[in-house]
Amino acid sequence: QAVVTQEPSLTVSPGGTVTLTCGSSTGAVTSGHYPYWFQQKPGQAPRTLIYDTSNKHSWTPARFSGSLLGGKAALTLSGAQPEDEAEYYCLLSYSGASTFGGGTKLTVL
Amino acid sequence: QVQLVQSGAEVKKPGASVKVSCKASGYTFTSYYMHWVRQAPGQGLEWMGIINPSGGSTSYAQKFQGRVTMTRDTSTSTVYMELSSLRSEDTAVYYCARGDVVTYGMDVWGQGTTVTVSS
Repeated sequence: QAVVTQEPSLTVSPGGTVTLTCGSSTGAVTSGHYPYWFQQKPGQAPRTLIYDTSNKHSWTPARFSGSLLGGKAALTLSGAQPEDEAEYYCLLSYSGASTFGGGTKLTVL
Repeated sequence: QVQLVQSGAEVKKPGASVKVSCKASGYTFTSYYMHWVRQAPGQGLEWMGIINPSGGSTSYAQKFQGRVTMTRDTSTSTVYMELSSLRSEDTAVYYCARGDVVTYGMDVWGQGTTVTVSS
């Protein structure tokens, strides 16, 4: 079973920009892995931010964007807000089976 | 609006089974997959498996094969996840989440069901 890797923690200043990445033990992440990104705050269910690499839902703040970068999936936050402090998870699909990354704890400080 | 409403918290003894339900509303039940995901206390998200409500076909994560069963009732737009041979490590919040039939990933999530396994 593939292992999906994320940075355990990152810190960004208010108004700053940060990029979270999502790698696969099987090699480069491609659009065929249909990368997803989720945000989870303490005591809440996850919320889907990005689907299929770079698509946003109607509820996704415009400051979040998704892409492929250097063989990984990436989530970029431009203009961080205090309310963006949360755990972020990526999800990759492997022929119908899905695997989450371990999560990135993002601190806005 | 699209909603997934899960059943209430459960407390089970080791070795027992638990069955969690997830009732869907606000969309065509058979047009989307349904995932089950769990999260142990202080841990990350763990994918358990997926069911296609249209035909009932399932795919389970290797870790749960033989211990998990996902079913659906199209008459009530409800999916079920049953986990057997419970052990303390199964203590977690269990989520259902609607899945896209092309990209597989989740868009709408249930509120979560806490399952506690304790003697």
